[in-house]
Amino acid sequence: GDSVTQMEGPVTLSEEAFLTINCTYTATGYPSLFWYVQYPGEGLQLLLKATKADDKGSNKGFEATYRKETTSFHLEKGSVQVSDSAVYFCALSGHNAGNMLTFGGGTRLMVKP
Amino acid sequence: GAVVSQHPSRVICKSGTSVKIECRSLDFQATTMFWYRQFPKQSLMLMATSNEGSKATYEQGVEKDKFLINHASLTLSTLTVTSAHPEDSSFYICSARDRVEQFFGPGTRLTVL
Repeated sequence: GDSVTQMEGPVTLSEEAFLTINCTYTATGYPSLFWYVQYPGEGLQLLLKATKADDKGSNKGFEATYRKETTSFHLEKGSVQVSDSAVYFCALSGHNAGNMLTFGGGTRLMVKP
Repeated sequence: GAVVSQHPSRVICKSGTSVKIECRSLDFQATTMFWYRQFPKQSLMLMATSNEGSKATYEQGVEKDKFLINHASLTLSTLTVTSAHPEDSSFYICSARDRVEQFFGPGTRLTVL
């Protein structure tokens, strides 16, 4: 079945550091890929998405490129802020599964001033 | 973006009581609603999927008599935790999907004493 693997956290960075959170997936067909962010005590918010190979999703300075050849969708940001501290979830929506989301385990990011 | 609300945001109850959590899509009609459970520092676990007017489809290992789901309209789904026990304490997140995208509620933290 479909699965998503992302790097374990926590990831601790200083403000203005470069961020990469790795995400790889296994799926049949051509899934859509997503990054969600969860701030403390809140639900999930969609951060960005990509629906086909080589698409780049971007939002709030975050980017991720759909790489079919490496089955990856790594999240990057050039300069993190304290307010980016949250848990980040990589997810896919497989067309074979009725478009249901499959989540990775989540990566906690802590940004220190 | 579309808004999904949950009520209550936080509930504390005694062991043996039942708790109802409401999930509403505020500005769109949700063809499908999902209920997730999240343990501390872990990813989301899909509990069940419900379509308006039909019985919910529960994931393996989720007790349907324990977690009652009612999807009475295109904008409202309820999850009732019956005879709650301390091990049911968790963060419950609902999600609603229109034809294209899945939107998440802010979550309900249930604490069973």
